[in-house]
Amino acid sequence: KQEVTQIPAALSVPEGENLVLNCSFTDSAIYNLQWFRQDPGKGLTSLLLIQSSQREQTSGRLNASLDKSSGRSTLYIAASQPGDSATYLCAVRINAGNMLTFGGGTRLMVKP
Amino acid sequence: DAGVIQSPRHEVTEMGQEVTLRCKPISGHDYLFWYRQTMMRGLELLIYFNNNVPIDDSGMPEDRFSAKMPNASFSNLKIQPSEPRDSAVYFCASSLLPYEQYFGPGTRLTVT
Repeated sequence: KQEVTQIPAALSVPEGENLVLNCSFTDSAIYNLQWFRQDPGKGLTSLLLIQSSQREQTSGRLNASLDKSSGRSTLYIAASQPGDSATYLCAVRINAGNMLTFGGGTRLMVKP
Repeated sequence: DAGVIQSPRHEVTEMGQEVTLRCKPISGHDYLFWYRQTMMRGLELLIYFNNNVPIDDSGMPEDRFSAKMPNASFSNLKIQPSEPRDSAVYFCASSLLPYEQYFGPGTRLTVT
């Protein structure tokens, strides 16, 4: 059974700092991996999708990498801003279907 | 497209009552997912459909839960009878494989 872990569970950084969020998964046979952002009381917003054949994806200040063999993905946020404060979730899709297995999330706070 | 639409946004009901949650997926998407999010268990997949057909309902907690997708533009999730432990945020998501899953804003259910 696929298990997804995100460490740390919470992170507080000063504005302007570059930061890395970590995601690990137990079964490397994934179809793709998706990073989401969730604001308090809101739904999930898709940030980046990395297919299993890709090593990274970039969108603005965000860069996500994928290392299937080691079961890891990282989300890099450059020049963090208070508006980046949210919970970030990673989720993997396995080959057997279209189901996503989610990590527990990292709650990020960027202090002005 | 307006995105995934869910209704109601908030539902408060008494234990024993029937609860119906509704979802309209993004037009053209052929997958629809129902998730439940709680502090204790995070995001859990309850059931998902492909082309209106239920594919995997192994996440449905018990027989009190049922979901249907009568057509490509509508799905509902019913809980009958509801219990306090069903209190959670229920999300609907849709996708067009192999692309991102897009989430609705969620329905916050409180069973008293």
